[in-house]
Amino acid sequence: QAVVTQEPSLTVSPGGTVTLTCGSSTGAVTSDHYPYWFQQKPGQAPKTMIYDTSNKHSWTPARFSGSLLGGKAALTLSGAQPEDEAEYYCLVSYNGTRSGIFGGGTKLTVL
Amino acid sequence: EVQLVQSGAEVKKPGESLRISCKGFGYSFSAYWIGWVRQKPGKGLEWMGIIYPGDSDTIYSPSFQGQVSMSADKSSSTAYLQWSTLKASDTAKYYCARGLGEGEVKVYWGQGTLVTVSS
Repeated sequence: QAVVTQEPSLTVSPGGTVTLTCGSSTGAVTSDHYPYWFQQKPGQAPKTMIYDTSNKHSWTPARFSGSLLGGKAALTLSGAQPEDEAEYYCLVSYNGTRSGIFGGGTKLTVL
Repeated sequence: EVQLVQSGAEVKKPGESLRISCKGFGYSFSAYWIGWVRQKPGKGLEWMGIIYPGDSDTIYSPSFQGQVSMSADKSSSTAYLQWSTLKASDTAKYYCARGLGEGEVKVYWGQGTLVTVSS
């Protein structure tokens, strides 16, 4: 089974820019993997921020963007806010879309 | 507004059975895959599998095949996750999510159901 890899932790200054990445042990992550990004704050359910590589939910702030970067899925936060501090999980689809593997999560600190 | 509402927290003993539920509101329940996701205390998210309520087609992650059973009732817009014999290692929060397994659609999450298995 594939392994999906994320940075365990990242720190960004308020107003700064940070990029989280999501790689796959099977090779490059492409749009055919329909990568997702979820935000989870302590005690809360995950919240979908990005689906299908770069599409945003209605509640996704404009400062978040999804892309493919160097063979990985990427989530870029431009102009970080204190409320963006959270755990971020990526999800990569395999076998079409009917199977998925979550990354281990990135704990993002805004400090 | 799309909403998924899950059943309340459960406390069970090892060896007992359990079924938790996930009721969909605000959309055509039969038309979207629903996924189940496990989160053990202090740990990350794990994909358990997906079910298509329209025809109950179900695809389990290899890690969960044979450990749980997924089902859906179109008439009540409710998906279920079931265990026949709980173990202490099943202690976790379980989330349902509409749209997992679809790829190109927005994913909506339920609020989660905490299952505690302890003697």
